[in-house]
Amino acid sequence: SYVVTQPPSVSVAPGKTATITCGGNNIGTKYVHWYQQKPGQAPLLVIYYYRVRPSGIPERFSGHISGNTATLTISSVEAGDEAGYYCQVWDSSGVQYLFGPGTQLTVL
Amino acid sequence: EEKLEESGGGFVRPGESLRLSCVASGFTLSSYEMVWVRQPPGQGLEWLFYISQNGDTVYSADSVKGRFTISRDNALNSVFLQMNSLRVEDTALYYCARDRGLRLGFDLWGRGAQVTVFS
Repeated sequence: SYVVTQPPSVSVAPGKTATITCGGNNIGTKYVHWYQQKPGQAPLLVIYYYRVRPSGIPERFSGHISGNTATLTISSVEAGDEAGYYCQVWDSSGVQYLFGPGTQLTVL
Repeated sequence: EEKLEESGGGFVRPGESLRLSCVASGFTLSSYEMVWVRQPPGQGLEWLFYISQNGDTVYSADSVKGRFTISRDNALNSVFLQMNSLRVEDTALYYCARDRGLRLGFDLWGRGAQVTVFS
């Protein structure tokens, strides 16, 4: 079955840029979305279809796709961005949605 | 305000059953595809089920095939998750979410229902 990879953790100082990756074979064909989950809260869609930002999500959040890697970039990181971040794909072969294992973003 | 609210969680023994409900408010459920996602304590998200607007099409994760089923009643603005033969490893927070399609993602989530299976 399709495998999605994410780094377990990313650390960044306030005001710097955080980059979170989501890897998978031919991921550019998998309809990648990104979710933010803060402790005790439900996930929140922050980027859909690789790079589109939903209404209400700050411009600091952006998405990119290149080769076998999708990337979520958070610029000018704030303490409030500290959360788990999950990518999600559609695996057409397995007829299933898949989430990546998640990346914990720590703001130093 | 658009909202999803799960209910029906609880404490059960292995082998027992539970039925979770997800009620939509502020929008017409019949216009949307829906999914169930779970999250074991301290772990990541796991997609479980997809159901189409009229319930004719269902996709499921291998981990719950044959034990869990999804259904919906659009007249009640509700989606359900029937969980049979529960196992300790099914202990998780169960979320329902609105699926806007392959290009738009899951744009609305409930707060989740806790299911604890203990021996």
